[in-house]
This record gives sequence, C-alpha cells and structure tokens, in this order.
Amino acid sequence: DAKTTQPPSMDCAEGRAANLPCNHSTISGNEYVYWYRQIHSQGPQYIIHGLKNNETNEMASLIITEDRKSSTLILPHATLRDTAVYYCIVRVGYNAGNMLTFGGGTRLMVKP
Amino acid sequence: GAVVSQHPSWVICKSGTSVKIECRSLDFQATTMFWYRQFPKQSLMLMATSNEGSKATYEQGVEKDKFLINHASLTLSTLTVTSAHPEDSSFYICSATGSYEQYFGPGTRLTVT
Repeated sequence: DAKTTQPPSMDCAEGRAANLPCNHSTISGNEYVYWYRQIHSQGPQYIIHGLKNNETNEMASLIITEDRKSSTLILPHATLRDTAVYYCIVRVGYNAGNMLTFGGGTRLMVKP
Repeated sequence: GAVVSQHPSWVICKSGTSVKIECRSLDFQATTMFWYRQFPKQSLMLMATSNEGSKATYEQGVEKDKFLINHASLTLSTLTVTSAHPEDSSFYICSATGSYEQYFGPGTRLTVT
C-alpha cells in the first residue's frame, strides 16, 4: 500500500472549518483514500473514503486532487468533540478484507 | 455503521498470567478480523489477521505462541495474551470486516503488573 504523509498536529478554532491535508504521491490507480479518526482511548472511527472524485457525507468532505497525489479532509464546522488523531490511509481495492496500515496521523486540536 | 464490541474494556493482571480479550461483531458476520496493538502516543500496529475457521496470520515480530487468536465463528474472535509481562501492557483493538468496510472495536486496555 502507498505511504501517506500528514502533518503531526494542527489546531482549529471551534466552529471553523478544519482542513487536514494528506500526501500520497505514490498512490496506485487501484488504491482508495480512506480517512479514519481516533478519539483518545477509543477505537478508530471510519469517516470517509474515495477513489478520484470528491466525496461528502454527514461527517466530512474529501477533496482529492486530479493527479490523486494528495487529498484534504474537510470538517466544515469543527466542534470540540472533533479533537482526535486523524489517519489518512491508502488501500488497494474496495475490499474490506485488506488490512489497514496506520501511519502517524494528524493530531487535531479544536479550541474554544 | 456496524457495531463491534470488545470485552473487557480494561483489565489488570499479574505478570505470568493469561488474559483473554473477546471481539464480537454485533450486527453483521465478519469473515475477517484484525487485531492491533497501540502503545501510548503511537499509532496502531497490526498484530495479526484472523479468518473464520482458519489459523491466524501473524505480522513479523509478533509471537504466535504468546498471542493466541481464535476465530471460531463469524461473529467472535478472541485474543489470548499468554504469560503476560509488563511490556505487554498496551491498548488492544480489533476490527471486523463487513461487506466493504472495517469496523473497529472500542479497544481493551491491558495493564500487567
């Protein structure tokens, strides 16, 4: 699976949009971009995933560049409960049986 | 999303004893379950992949005789830490695969004294 690079930490003001970048310059054509987050002392939570088109759900939006070498997760109105470590993962195929390889992630701190 | 539970949520045991952690998929059948370990301020590290009815596949450096995994049904996998030592103290997390996604349990914090 392609390696991802994320900033180790970011701050965001409550109510503002949080934009979390991820570089995956070696991504292959059949690899999807997944985002998970882990709130302190809990298991990871799925947020969103995409292949090449931008995606949006009730939690977030995922913007993938045209060359697919980077992406941005957008939390449109961050709340204090969004404070967590956010992991960007690329994975071959749309097969849940494939393991997820977690990198360092970005520690997002939402401040009042 | 689908629900995965783990039991216990935390456990304290004495060095040399064994501890069993259960991972259950509550509302779906999981042919594959994964076990991860996470040390403080570190990321999740995959320990093993467990497929229902077959032997688990362990990652390099993970002792299969120390971390016994059983996946006897489509809704239950167990991880037994045998002869636990203080260095085994960690946060153990399982995930179960549904049709398309992996769903994670809440984790089990193991402290070995």
